[in-house]
Amino acid sequence: SQQGEEDPQALSIQEGENATMNCSYKTSINNLQWYRQNSGRGLVHLILIRSNEREKHSGRLRVTLDTSKKSSSLLITASRAADTASYFCATWSTSYGKLTFGQGTILTVHP
Amino acid sequence: ETGVTQTPRHLVMGMTNKKSLKCEQHLGHNAMYWYKQSAKKPLELMFVYSLEERVENNSVPSRFSPECPNSSHLFLHLHTLQPEDSALYLCASSQGTGTRKETQYFGPGTRLLVL
Repeated sequence: SQQGEEDPQALSIQEGENATMNCSYKTSINNLQWYRQNSGRGLVHLILIRSNEREKHSGRLRVTLDTSKKSSSLLITASRAADTASYFCATWSTSYGKLTFGQGTILTVHP
Repeated sequence: ETGVTQTPRHLVMGMTNKKSLKCEQHLGHNAMYWYKQSAKKPLELMFVYSLEERVENNSVPSRFSPECPNSSHLFLHLHTLQPEDSALYLCASSQGTGTRKETQYFGPGTRLLVL
């Protein structure tokens, strides 16, 4: 299975703090993506990092990828209450031809 | 808004009912997907349509029947469902060719409760 696993399952922080979520996967990938899901709604694509990239930034988001360890991390800096959501990593492999999602990390940011 | 809409947003049905979920995308994509999201489980890919042809069916029970009449619309017809089918059903779309198909755009989902 290519399934990713996020860690931690839940994270609770105060506004202004940084939030770090980790993702591990099992097989070779072409890229890894992070999505956000607000409660009971659809997923929103946040950022994509390719297998030949090690770090990528988008606004307050920083993603790293270590293909030797088959792991990725998502860092949200200076968190806001509006960042409260579930965050999923998803791996894409041309071999599988589909996105495979992990179980997600529930982030709660307290005002 | 992601450009993908789903109706209805909430649905309650009995096990003998027949209902349909609708998805419409306004992004000019040519691939569409149905996912099932149950509590404490990863998203499960159910069906994939590319250029209106079904290209994947992940061993989904026949009580779920997809239909893709054109590249902008996707339906999921439901018939004699079971309580364990209660979940959030998500539709997504992507550009079906090249590297752009790797990023998917999701609708808000239909919350289904089977009694």
